[in-house]
Amino acid sequence: GEDVEQSLFLSVREGDSSVINCTYTDSSSTYLYWYKQEPGAGLQLLTYIFSNMDMKQDQRLTVLLNKKDKHLSLRIADTQTGDSAIYFCAESPDNYGQNFVFGPGTRLSVLP
Amino acid sequence: KAGVTQTPRYLIKTRGQQVTLSCSPISGHRSVSWYQQTPGQGLQFLFEYFSETQRNKGNFPGRFSGRQFSNSRSEMNVSTLELGDSALYLCASSLTASGTQYFGPGTRLLVL
Repeated sequence: GEDVEQSLFLSVREGDSSVINCTYTDSSSTYLYWYKQEPGAGLQLLTYIFSNMDMKQDQRLTVLLNKKDKHLSLRIADTQTGDSAIYFCAESPDNYGQNFVFGPGTRLSVLP
Repeated sequence: KAGVTQTPRYLIKTRGQQVTLSCSPISGHRSVSWYQQTPGQGLQFLFEYFSETQRNKGNFPGRFSGRQFSNSRSEMNVSTLELGDSALYLCASSLTASGTQYFGPGTRLLVL
């Protein structure tokens, strides 16, 4: 079955870049997503990338996709204290449904 | 445009009771999905509805059920509550059956 893995913790200094990594197993996923969750809140969509793309940039966010290695990364430039949150990687299934498979989430701590 | 809304936001129940949670999708969205989030299991897919039909169901017991109304609003029901059902229940809506999902703030259920 599908499985998505992420490292659980990442700590960076304010102003540095953060890179959050994710590996997935379903090579037929059409889209891969990044969501952010702040304490006590739901999931906020950050960005997504279509499976036939290698890179997508959206302001401070850069998504890189290595389809051969099934590796996805999210780079946050100039990380701010407001970026402290849990970041989830998710893959959409090959049945064009909505039963996304989420990783365990990476807790990003931004130190002043 | 208003986002996904979920009611109630917090709920306390006792074992053996049943509970109904409600989700109103973004206006115009026809697909609604439900997820359970717990510290131990992470985010797990419950079910997905599109145009009042259940399209996919996750690996949960039959005590978990849902439905979608003609106005796309959705409810999920959990009968005979167990302590392990304590979780954050998240609803997500999508414009199409295979589109990007936007999440609500969740309903936090505590079973005592």
